[in-house]
Amino acid sequence: QQQVKQSPQSLIVQKGGISIINCAYENTAFDYFPWYQQFPGKGPALLIAIRPDVSEKKEGRFTISFNKSAKQFSLHIMDSQPGDSATYFCAASRGSYIPTFGRGTSLIVHP
Amino acid sequence: GAVVSQHPSWVICKSGTSVKIECRSLDFQATTMFWYRQFPKQSLMLMATSNEGSKATYEQGVEKDKFLINHASLTLSTLTVTSAHPEDSSFYICSADWDRSYEQYFGPGTRLTVT
Repeated sequence: QQQVKQSPQSLIVQKGGISIINCAYENTAFDYFPWYQQFPGKGPALLIAIRPDVSEKKEGRFTISFNKSAKQFSLHIMDSQPGDSATYFCAASRGSYIPTFGRGTSLIVHP
Repeated sequence: GAVVSQHPSWVICKSGTSVKIECRSLDFQATTMFWYRQFPKQSLMLMATSNEGSKATYEQGVEKDKFLINHASLTLSTLTVTSAHPEDSSFYICSADWDRSYEQYFGPGTRLTVT
């Protein structure tokens, strides 16, 4: 049973555009929702994370929107750049327990 | 801060041999270390969780006799792939958390190719 569903599987965006990746979860006990960025041949790196007590968190060009009632959260990348081309994973965890990862989204930003 | 290293970054070995991968937390003492496996264009698959000085907890379907995990100190965990076969070829990634925080810090990964 996949507890965190991520979409789309792949995304192509023009430079300067907005990239949007969505995730939905099932376990209402989850209380930490991080996004990871992974470049080819590298390990994932924490990009931004949110807790369910806020509906939005912004760090630079990256924003997480969180909808607790719908059990959904999304990553928005504003002014997308070719250097943002990577695979993005959403995740969800309960307390300090091991996170459950989404299947990943391969983002390509065309120059 | 919170840097995790892995060694080697890539390794090629012959079928039937064993390979050891090291995972180190460089600037913090890790409460727990995790080992993941990742196939091309797929998500991370948790293999096992280890705490210093205790036996690793393996996920269902992961052969503990094949993937030996040793967590000798608060900064070092090793994964040994025993009697490796081509189907063990994969990208192995470790991660560590600190003081049971919510965040996991990932290593750069190790590419294993078994010929």
